[in-house]
Amino acid sequence: GEDVEQSLFLSVREGDSSVINCTYTDSSSTYLYWYKQEPGAGLQLLTYIFSNMDMKQDQRLTVLLNKKDKHLSLRIADTQTGDSAIYFCAEKRRRDDKIIFGKGTRLHILP
Amino acid sequence: DADVTQTPRNRITKTGKRIMLECSQTKGHDRMYWYRQDPGLGLRLIYYSFDVKDINKGEISDGYSVSRQAQAKFSLSLESAIPNQTALYFCATSDSTGDYGYTFGSGTRLTVV
Repeated sequence: GEDVEQSLFLSVREGDSSVINCTYTDSSSTYLYWYKQEPGAGLQLLTYIFSNMDMKQDQRLTVLLNKKDKHLSLRIADTQTGDSAIYFCAEKRRRDDKIIFGKGTRLHILP
Repeated sequence: DADVTQTPRNRITKTGKRIMLECSQTKGHDRMYWYRQDPGLGLRLIYYSFDVKDINKGEISDGYSVSRQAQAKFSLSLESAIPNQTALYFCATSDSTGDYGYTFGSGTRLTVV
C-alpha cells in the first residue's frame, strides 16, 4: 500500500477549524512533516514533529501524532482564505533516510 | 533572492527534443533532489544527490538524467522528451541529515507537445 495516505479534498467554512489527517506505514519514521503548496508555487515547510513528541503547536497550527496508530493530523484554527492550498503530509523513513510525501489534501475555504 | 532557484519557470518543447532544467541553491546544502508532480499522483522522486560525487536514481528515473555540477547546482535533462513527461518539476535541497525537511524551488512547468 501507499506509504503515506491522506484524503484528497477538504472543504471548511471561513473561521472554522480545519483538520487534515494522514496515516503512514513506517513505524520507525523519525520525523514527520506538513508542507503547504499555494497555486503556482513550490512546497513550503509549515512544521515538523519528531517521532518522540505527541503534539506541537505553532500559532494557529497544531500537529498531533499518534504513533500507535501511525496517524498524524494538522489542525488550522480560525481558517482564513489565505489557508486555501494543498497540504502534504510526509515522513522520513529510517530504513533509507528518504522523505516520502503523501498525495496532498486540497483545502477549500467556503465563505 | 530565492534560496532555491529553478529555470526556466515555464517551457513548451516538442516531442523528441532534449531539454535541460536547472536548479541552483544558496542554502549551502549538500543534498539536492528532483521531483515531478502530476495531478492525483503527488510528488515522485526522479533523482537525488547527497553530495557532488553522489548521484542516485529515484522511483521514476527512466527517460531522465542529472548532473551535479557543483554543490550549488543540480540539473535535470530529458534526453528525448515525450508527452507523458508533461508535468511540474521541482528541485529541493536539504542539509546533510535531511531531518528538518526540504527547501523547494518554485517549480518548472514543462509541456511536451
